[in-house]
Amino acid sequence: EIVMTQSPATLSVSPGERASLSCRASQSVSSNLAWYQQKPGQAPRLLIYGASTRATGIPARFSGSGSGTEFTLTISSLQSEDFAVYYCQQYNNWLYTFGQGTKLEIK
Amino acid sequence: QVQLQESGPGLVKPSETLSLTCAVSGYSISSGYYWGWIRQPPGKGLEWIGSIYHSGSTYYNLSLKSRVAISVDTSKNQFSLKLSSVTAADTAVYYCARHPHSCSSTSCYLYWFDPWGQGTLVTVSS
Repeated sequence: EIVMTQSPATLSVSPGERASLSCRASQSVSSNLAWYQQKPGQAPRLLIYGASTRATGIPARFSGSGSGTEFTLTISSLQSEDFAVYYCQQYNNWLYTFGQGTKLEIK
Repeated sequence: QVQLQESGPGLVKPSETLSLTCAVSGYSISSGYYWGWIRQPPGKGLEWIGSIYHSGSTYYNLSLKSRVAISVDTSKNQFSLKLSSVTAADTAVYYCARHPHSCSSTSCYLYWFDPWGQGTLVTVSS
């Protein structure tokens, strides 16, 4: 099983600032990585797939980078609606696994 | 626009079988895609349970495989989850989602999950 580790567990950032969230895989997943956003009481929403491709309707302030074992989700200028929990998911190995999440909170 | 909706009992007794259904609208299951189940214990992270194709081909999480069965009913455009011998550890919000894929001559590769249903909370308690 590929273990996905996200850091930090909680990130406090002010609106308008930039946020960078990290996801590390226990072994290489190539670019087979997705990012999701989850707000309280809602289902996760796909943001990024293929490590860097934005899903349909996702604003350009969301960007993904990385390959192999190190990945980053960057939100360039935080809006109020961006404060949520973010998960990464690998699909390189058929046992699809998620990170434990990073909570992005208002500073 | 594809929409998914989970349904089923919100309370299941320990040792019994959890049964949920995911109704798909706006897209015919028979047209393609795998369809998956994912769960999230209260306050915790996400765990993939398994996925199914309209042909009945399935992939399961090995940690749950002995207790899980996913089936599909193309006539009703829905797919279902059964999880047997449940314990309190199976208490979670259960989501269904579309699971894009591609296949070679020998294997299929499943990718991300999009879109998701709203989820349904299942509590295991006597």
